[in-house]
Amino acid sequence: QSALTQPHSVSGSPGQPVTISCTGTSSDVGAYDYVSWYQQYPDNAPKLILFDVNQWPSGVSDRFSGSKSGNTASLTISGLQADDEAIYYCCSYAGNFKWVFGGGTKLTVL
Amino acid sequence: QVQLVQSGAEVKRPGASVKVSCKTSGYTFSGNVITWVRQAPGQGLEWMGWINPLNNKVYYVEKFQARLTMATEMSTRTAFMELRSLTSDDTAVYYCARGVFYYMDVWGRGTTVTVSS
Repeated sequence: QSALTQPHSVSGSPGQPVTISCTGTSSDVGAYDYVSWYQQYPDNAPKLILFDVNQWPSGVSDRFSGSKSGNTASLTISGLQADDEAIYYCCSYAGNFKWVFGGGTKLTVL
Repeated sequence: QVQLVQSGAEVKRPGASVKVSCKTSGYTFSGNVITWVRQAPGQGLEWMGWINPLNNKVYYVEKFQARLTMATEMSTRTAFMELRSLTSDDTAVYYCARGVFYYMDVWGRGTTVTVSS
């Protein structure tokens, strides 16, 4: 199972929106509405920020939103803040009880 | 609250085995799978597999199948991940995470495993 494809890095200015894409195949992202997103700060464990494409876990800001079209899922962060600077990973169910992660995207707040 | 507390860092020689534990609390242990994910230095997340404490059913990613064993101990609400025949490529932080339907909602802090001669 190949990793999902994410841009290596994205950047944005405070207050602006930024979108991170996550491209898979018709066997994973395209097949299921089970894409989740994780935020990871350096030397910390990943933290769940979205699940089932666009659902928020309790306590996560609604500045994070998700969508999916075909084989590509997207994470949009609106009103960018300094503490949004982190690495973001997408993850998709790939059928047959297995999951696959994206390679991660480093978000820089300018 | 839900917590997953992992065992401490390990240093192993090539060819050795490592066993990482993940002690859970704050929820019904048998109600969720435990997923294991690793992260090599400076690299992304790699999904390794899961174990269902209810029936000890497991799923391992194919690349690990020959040398990976996951287990649980209901009495202590603990999950274990053992990886054998270690090489330097296995140097990574190993995370356990609680699986909820199709995502992982709570993660342990990670266990650093260093393989070095």
